[in-house]
Amino acid sequence: NFMLTQPHSVSESPGKTVTISCTRSSGSIATNSVQWYHQRPGSAPTTVIYEDNQRPSGVPDRFSGSIDSSSNSASLTISGLKTDDEADYYCQSYDNSNHVVFGGGTKLTVL
Amino acid sequence: EEQLLESGGGLVQPGGSLRLSCAASGFTFTSYAMSWVRQAPGKGLEWVSVINDSGGSTYYADSVKGRFTISRDNSKNTLYLQMKSLRAEDTAIYYCTKGTLWKFDYWGQGILVTVSS
Repeated sequence: NFMLTQPHSVSESPGKTVTISCTRSSGSIATNSVQWYHQRPGSAPTTVIYEDNQRPSGVPDRFSGSIDSSSNSASLTISGLKTDDEADYYCQSYDNSNHVVFGGGTKLTVL
Repeated sequence: EEQLLESGGGLVQPGGSLRLSCAASGFTFTSYAMSWVRQAPGKGLEWVSVINDSGGSTYYADSVKGRFTISRDNSKNTLYLQMKSLRAEDTAIYYCTKGTLWKFDYWGQGILVTVSS
């Protein structure tokens, strides 16, 4: 199995832009799509990005996703930060052996 | 409006069994794979199991293989997770999700399972 590694926490000021990385330990990040989920304390996760860079309806275009094969990583970028964006963010992918993997999660603080 | 409502959680002793249910509404249940994802207290997300739209294919995380069984009743729009030989490390909130085999586009509110003597 592979692992997805995220920073434990990031912080940024309102109105700024933040990027959360997600590095795949083995296998190409480009082979299987990456999803990003957002979870506020005490609430269920919700999808903010699917298939590397697609936004579900209702997710503002301040949220964007990308992958970088050179670093074997995916990124979630949130621009125009709002205090309401404070949450835990998880990346997720899978492999061709029917394994689903989540990253450890990144706590975003907007201060 | 899509809804996933989990039930069946609670306190169970180590070695015991429990069956979770997830009632789906607001979408065409038979068009989607369904999964269970869990989250131990204060920890991250862990995929548990997935079943395809027809119920003919199932997959499990290594940590639950042989102890948990996922199933679905498409006539009742309901997903199940039968859990046996429960361990303390199975203590978690269990989320029912809809999506494809390997992606989760909508999550229920979750149900707490506590394994303790």
